[in-house]
Amino acid sequence: GAGVSQSPSNKVTEKGKDVELRCDPISGHTALYWYRQRLGQGLEFLIYFQGNSAPDKSGLPSDRFSAERTGESVSTLTIQRTQQEDSAVYLCASSLTGLSETQYFGPGTRLLVL
Amino acid sequence: QQQVKQSPQSLIVQKGGISIINCAYENTAFDYFPWYQQFPGKGPALLIAIRPDVSEKKEGRFTISFNKSAKQFSLHIMDSQPGDSATYFCAAQDSGYALNFGKGTSLLVTP
Repeated sequence: GAGVSQSPSNKVTEKGKDVELRCDPISGHTALYWYRQRLGQGLEFLIYFQGNSAPDKSGLPSDRFSAERTGESVSTLTIQRTQQEDSAVYLCASSLTGLSETQYFGPGTRLLVL
Repeated sequence: QQQVKQSPQSLIVQKGGISIINCAYENTAFDYFPWYQQFPGKGPALLIAIRPDVSEKKEGRFTISFNKSAKQFSLHIMDSQPGDSATYFCAAQDSGYALNFGKGTSLLVTP
């Protein structure tokens, strides 16, 4: 079946603008994660959704970042008033359940803030 | 704070050689240690993983060695091939939660 998909694949925006990044997880996967990958760095956890439970937002770097998930499907990561330091690849992953170990990653959205 | 420390940052190995990447962690609650492989422009993909109840796991040319007392684990790539050239990330997970990644190792296998 289809893997995790993300859109857009690339996004260039101006400082101060808002951006929305979308993730479509693998069908049937109840757990969804957002990570950020800065150039030359490892992946940094942002937020975790598990079923209908309240999301774990402990990794969000500031209140400019927020995310939503509709049931067990699509998720949207929103960055308000973008800053240049927000430039990174934003990766989404899903797993069968919150206790499942294997996370399947999408190709990421490359965000460049000018 | 970086919960998983990975070295080296980059590695060049000749075709047929052994590539070795090391990782260390502090949090003893971690109970799952995967390695991910990432090619340019792609998301990371699970390569091999180990739980702390075993000291070694082998899948084809890829082996994880795990030292629980030292809180270290490593990836060995035997008979390295140019197609193995990629960035490798170790990670550690606590009870099916978010992955804590190392900073990655860029591997280049020369022909």
